[in-house]
Amino acid sequence: ETGVTQSPTHLIKTRGQQVTLRCSSQSGHNTVSWYQQALGQGPQFIFQYYREEENGRGNFPPRFSGLQFPNYSSELNVNALELDDSALYLCASSRTSGKETQYFGPGTRLLVL
Amino acid sequence: DAKTTQPTSMDCAEGRAANLPCNHSTISGNEYVYWYRQIHSQGPQYIIHGLKNNETNEMASLIITEDRKSSTLILPHATLRDTAVYYCIVRVGRDTGNQFYFGTGTSLTVIP
Repeated sequence: ETGVTQSPTHLIKTRGQQVTLRCSSQSGHNTVSWYQQALGQGPQFIFQYYREEENGRGNFPPRFSGLQFPNYSSELNVNALELDDSALYLCASSRTSGKETQYFGPGTRLLVL
Repeated sequence: DAKTTQPTSMDCAEGRAANLPCNHSTISGNEYVYWYRQIHSQGPQYIIHGLKNNETNEMASLIITEDRKSSTLILPHATLRDTAVYYCIVRVGRDTGNQFYFGTGTSLTVIP
Protein backbone atom coordinates (compact mmCIF):
# COMPACT_ATOMS: atom_id res chain seq x y z
CA GLU A 1 0.00 0.00 0.00
CA THR A 2 1.39 3.39 -1.01
CA GLY A 3 -1.09 5.60 0.85
CA VAL A 4 -2.20 7.15 -2.44
CA THR A 5 -5.92 6.79 -3.05
CA GLN A 6 -8.03 7.47 -6.13
CA SER A 7 -11.74 7.75 -6.73
CA PRO A 8 -13.82 6.46 -8.29
CA THR A 9 -12.32 3.07 -9.16
CA HIS A 10 -14.40 2.70 -12.32
CA LEU A 11 -16.42 5.14 -14.38
CA ILE A 12 -18.49 4.98 -17.55
CA LYS A 13 -19.22 8.13 -19.55
CA THR A 14 -20.50 8.94 -22.99
CA ARG A 15 -18.73 10.90 -25.69
CA GLY A 16 -18.90 14.67 -25.16
CA GLN A 17 -19.40 14.47 -21.41
CA GLN A 18 -17.06 15.81 -18.77
CA VAL A 19 -15.39 13.81 -15.99
CA THR A 20 -13.55 14.59 -12.75
CA LEU A 21 -11.16 12.12 -11.18
CA ARG A 22 -9.73 12.54 -7.68
CA CYS A 23 -6.49 11.67 -5.99
CA SER A 24 -5.33 11.91 -2.38
CA SER A 25 -1.58 12.03 -2.00
CA GLN A 26 0.56 10.25 0.54
CA SER A 27 1.07 12.12 3.80
CA GLY A 28 3.98 14.54 3.56
CA HIS A 29 3.93 14.68 -0.26
CA ASN A 30 3.32 17.99 -2.01
CA THR A 31 3.59 16.92 -5.64
CA VAL A 32 1.01 14.98 -7.66
CA SER A 33 1.48 13.67 -11.18
CA TRP A 34 -1.22 12.28 -13.46
CA TYR A 35 -0.77 9.61 -16.11
CA GLN A 36 -2.99 8.05 -18.76
CA GLN A 37 -2.50 4.39 -19.57
CA ALA A 38 -4.31 3.01 -22.61
CA LEU A 39 -4.80 -0.72 -22.84
CA GLY A 40 -1.54 -2.48 -23.61
CA GLN A 41 0.52 0.71 -23.37
CA GLY A 42 2.80 2.21 -20.76
CA PRO A 43 1.59 5.16 -18.71
CA GLN A 44 1.82 8.53 -20.47
CA PHE A 45 2.56 11.65 -18.44
CA ILE A 46 -0.32 14.17 -18.49
CA PHE A 47 0.82 16.86 -16.04
CA GLN A 48 2.20 17.46 -12.60
CA TYR A 49 1.12 19.77 -9.79
CA TYR A 50 3.45 21.15 -7.16
CA ARG A 51 2.12 23.32 -4.35
CA GLU A 52 -1.11 24.01 -6.24
CA GLU A 53 0.58 25.10 -9.48
CA GLU A 54 0.97 23.15 -12.71
CA ASN A 55 4.63 22.13 -12.96
CA GLY A 56 5.07 20.50 -16.34
CA ARG A 57 2.73 19.03 -18.91
CA GLY A 58 2.91 16.20 -21.40
CA ASN A 59 1.47 16.10 -24.90
CA PHE A 60 -2.20 16.35 -23.94
CA PRO A 61 -4.76 18.90 -25.20
CA PRO A 62 -6.14 21.71 -23.01
CA ARG A 63 -9.36 19.81 -22.40
CA PHE A 64 -7.28 17.88 -19.87
CA SER A 65 -6.96 20.15 -16.85
CA GLY A 66 -6.24 19.78 -13.19
CA LEU A 67 -6.26 21.27 -9.76
CA GLN A 68 -4.29 20.77 -6.59
CA PHE A 69 -5.74 21.79 -3.25
CA PRO A 70 -4.02 23.16 -0.11
CA ASN A 71 -4.01 19.66 1.40
CA TYR A 72 -2.17 18.54 -1.80
CA SER A 73 -4.99 16.33 -3.03
CA SER A 74 -5.69 16.74 -6.72
CA GLU A 75 -8.32 16.50 -9.43
CA LEU A 76 -8.03 15.65 -13.09
CA ASN A 77 -10.76 17.07 -15.30
CA VAL A 78 -11.41 15.99 -18.85
CA ASN A 79 -13.90 17.91 -20.99
CA ALA A 80 -15.56 16.85 -24.24
CA LEU A 81 -14.72 13.20 -23.74
CA GLU A 82 -13.65 11.20 -26.77
CA LEU A 83 -13.66 7.44 -27.25
CA ASP A 84 -9.84 7.42 -27.14
CA ASP A 85 -9.95 8.83 -23.61
CA SER A 86 -10.91 5.37 -22.42
CA ALA A 87 -7.96 4.36 -20.25
CA LEU A 88 -6.62 3.75 -16.77
CA TYR A 89 -5.84 7.08 -15.13
CA LEU A 90 -3.10 6.95 -12.55
CA CYS A 91 -1.96 9.51 -10.07
CA ALA A 92 1.33 9.46 -8.22
CA SER A 93 2.56 11.55 -5.33
CA SER A 94 6.08 12.48 -4.31
CA ARG A 95 8.06 14.76 -2.10
CA THR A 96 10.26 17.29 -3.77
CA SER A 97 13.27 17.23 -1.50
CA GLY A 98 16.17 14.98 -2.48
CA LYS A 99 15.39 11.77 -4.34
CA GLU A 100 11.72 11.96 -5.24
CA THR A 101 10.30 8.53 -5.75
CA GLN A 102 6.74 8.60 -7.11
CA TYR A 103 4.19 6.41 -5.38
CA PHE A 104 1.21 5.41 -7.48
CA GLY A 105 -2.41 4.97 -6.60
CA PRO A 106 -4.51 2.06 -7.87
CA GLY A 107 -5.96 4.08 -10.75
CA THR A 108 -9.39 4.95 -12.12
CA ARG A 109 -10.63 2.95 -15.08
CA LEU A 110 -12.59 5.24 -17.42
CA LEU A 111 -14.69 3.88 -20.25
CA VAL A 112 -16.10 6.32 -22.81
CA LEU A 113 -18.98 5.01 -24.93
CA ASP B 1 9.20 11.08 -25.29
CA ALA B 2 10.70 7.60 -25.53
CA LYS B 3 13.92 7.79 -23.55
CA THR B 4 14.33 4.07 -22.79
CA THR B 5 14.15 0.83 -24.76
CA GLN B 6 13.45 -2.60 -23.28
CA PRO B 7 12.78 -6.06 -24.69
CA THR B 8 9.08 -6.69 -25.11
CA SER B 9 8.99 -9.93 -23.15
CA MET B 10 11.15 -12.35 -21.18
CA ASP B 11 10.72 -15.66 -19.41
CA CYS B 12 12.49 -16.79 -16.25
CA ALA B 13 12.39 -20.06 -14.35
CA GLU B 14 11.11 -19.86 -10.81
CA GLY B 15 13.97 -19.62 -8.31
CA ARG B 16 16.44 -18.35 -10.89
CA ALA B 17 17.69 -14.80 -11.26
CA ALA B 18 15.78 -12.59 -13.67
CA ASN B 19 17.94 -10.05 -15.48
CA LEU B 20 15.99 -7.30 -17.20
CA PRO B 21 17.99 -4.98 -19.48
CA CYS B 22 17.25 -1.39 -20.39
CA ASN B 23 18.93 1.00 -22.82
CA HIS B 24 18.88 4.71 -22.09
CA SER B 25 21.56 5.95 -24.46
CA THR B 26 20.41 9.59 -24.38
CA ILE B 27 20.46 9.88 -20.60
CA SER B 28 22.01 13.06 -19.26
CA GLY B 29 24.09 13.60 -16.18
CA ASN B 30 21.29 14.59 -13.82
CA GLU B 31 18.77 11.94 -14.86
CA TYR B 32 18.03 9.04 -12.53
CA VAL B 33 16.99 5.58 -13.69
CA TYR B 34 13.92 4.17 -11.94
CA TRP B 35 12.36 0.74 -12.16
CA TYR B 36 8.71 0.04 -11.51
CA ARG B 37 6.53 -2.97 -12.12
CA GLN B 38 2.84 -3.29 -12.81
CA ILE B 39 0.68 -6.31 -12.16
CA HIS B 40 -2.68 -6.69 -13.90
CA SER B 41 -3.24 -2.96 -14.50
CA GLN B 42 -2.81 -2.10 -10.85
CA GLY B 43 -0.84 1.03 -10.06
CA PRO B 44 2.88 0.72 -10.81
CA GLN B 45 4.94 -0.43 -7.84
CA TYR B 46 8.31 1.17 -7.10
CA ILE B 47 11.24 -1.24 -7.14
CA ILE B 48 14.55 0.64 -7.12
CA HIS B 49 16.37 3.65 -8.56
CA GLY B 50 19.90 4.90 -9.09
CA LEU B 51 22.02 7.62 -10.64
CA LYS B 52 25.40 6.08 -11.39
CA ASN B 53 26.25 3.64 -8.62
CA ASN B 54 24.89 0.13 -8.37
CA GLU B 55 22.05 -0.16 -5.89
CA THR B 56 20.50 -3.01 -3.93
CA ASN B 57 17.42 -3.25 -1.76
CA GLU B 58 15.21 -6.00 -0.42
CA MET B 59 13.47 -6.43 -3.78
CA ALA B 60 16.20 -6.18 -6.40
CA SER B 61 19.59 -4.97 -7.54
CA LEU B 62 20.25 -2.30 -10.15
CA ILE B 63 23.42 -2.40 -12.19
CA ILE B 64 24.21 0.76 -14.17
CA THR B 65 27.01 0.73 -16.74
CA GLU B 66 29.88 3.14 -16.29
CA ASP B 67 28.79 5.26 -19.28
CA ARG B 68 25.22 5.18 -17.87
CA LYS B 69 23.77 4.30 -21.27
CA SER B 70 22.23 1.06 -20.03
CA SER B 71 21.19 -0.71 -16.87
CA THR B 72 20.02 -4.12 -15.68
CA LEU B 73 17.46 -4.91 -13.03
CA ILE B 74 18.17 -8.16 -11.23
CA LEU B 75 15.55 -10.10 -9.30
CA PRO B 76 17.81 -12.58 -7.50
CA HIS B 77 15.31 -15.40 -6.95
CA ALA B 78 12.24 -14.95 -9.13
CA THR B 79 8.89 -16.20 -7.84
CA LEU B 80 5.55 -16.57 -9.61
CA ARG B 81 4.44 -13.33 -7.96
CA ASP B 82 7.17 -11.48 -9.86
CA THR B 83 5.25 -12.03 -13.12
CA ALA B 84 4.50 -8.47 -14.21
CA VAL B 85 5.36 -5.72 -16.69
CA TYR B 86 8.61 -4.03 -15.67
CA TYR B 87 9.22 -0.44 -16.66
CA CYS B 88 12.58 1.25 -16.88
CA ILE B 89 12.07 4.99 -16.48
CA VAL B 90 14.30 7.99 -16.80
CA ARG B 91 13.51 10.71 -14.34
CA VAL B 92 14.16 14.26 -15.38
CA GLY B 93 15.25 15.92 -12.19
CA ARG B 94 14.09 19.47 -11.65
CA ASP B 95 14.12 21.84 -8.74
CA THR B 96 10.38 21.53 -8.25
CA GLY B 97 9.35 17.94 -8.68
CA ASN B 98 10.20 15.45 -11.35
CA GLN B 99 8.61 13.89 -14.41
CA PHE B 100 8.63 10.27 -15.45
CA TYR B 101 8.72 9.05 -19.04
CA PHE B 102 7.74 5.38 -19.14
CA GLY B 103 9.22 3.14 -21.80
CA THR B 104 7.48 0.22 -23.44
CA GLY B 105 8.09 -2.13 -20.56
CA THR B 106 9.16 -5.77 -20.43
CA SER B 107 6.54 -8.40 -19.73
CA LEU B 108 8.28 -10.89 -17.44
CA THR B 109 6.75 -14.34 -17.06
CA VAL B 110 8.10 -16.52 -14.28
CA ILE B 111 7.65 -20.16 -15.18
CA PRO B 112 7.14 -22.85 -12.51
